[in-house]
Amino acid sequence: LAKTTQPISMDSYEGQEVNITCSHNNIATNDYITWYQQFPSQGPRFIIQGYKTKVTNEVASLFIPADRKSSTLSLPRVSLSDTAVYYCLVGDHKAAGNKLTFGGGTRVLVKP
Amino acid sequence: ETGVTQSPTHLIKTRGQQVTLRCSSQSGHNTVSWYQQALGQGPQFIFQYYREEENGRGNFPPRFSGLQFPNYSSELNVNALELDDSALYLCASSLAGLPSQETQYFGPGTRLLVL
Repeated sequence: LAKTTQPISMDSYEGQEVNITCSHNNIATNDYITWYQQFPSQGPRFIIQGYKTKVTNEVASLFIPADRKSSTLSLPRVSLSDTAVYYCLVGDHKAAGNKLTFGGGTRVLVKP
Repeated sequence: ETGVTQSPTHLIKTRGQQVTLRCSSQSGHNTVSWYQQALGQGPQFIFQYYREEENGRGNFPPRFSGLQFPNYSSELNVNALELDDSALYLCASSLAGLPSQETQYFGPGTRLLVL
């Protein structure tokens, strides 16, 4: 599974857009990019998944450039409740039997 | 709510003891994975069960073992507890075999403290 690198922490303010970039230089052809969100003392929660270009759902957008060596999770107009740790995962989860490999994540703090 | 529940929520044990943690998967999910999350770190994969058989294992010793039952429940057993086993233990259920990438649904976890 490809190794990922993401910032350790980020601060933001309510109403702002938060962009978290994840590097995955060794991404393989069959790998998908998945982001999870985790609040303190809770299990991670799936946010979004993509393979290339742009994916958008009701929570976030995921931007993936053509070379797929990085990806950016975009959280529009964050609120205090978006304070959490965000994990970027890369892998061919089907081939790996759906075993998720988490890195250290990015701790996002949203301030009033 | 993910539909995945875990029990107990908290547990205190002493070194050398044995512990059993329980998980109830989302209905219909045939795959359950267990993760260990130390404080301040990301979850680490322990093992996965698919249709009651172990289907992969992470870098954990044999004293970590598991069971999966036909009613979508599962157990994580840890023998000879060590201080470093203190962590949040998470189970995640999913449905293998779908054409799209499977999403894993995590429970709230069991926080284990080994003294």
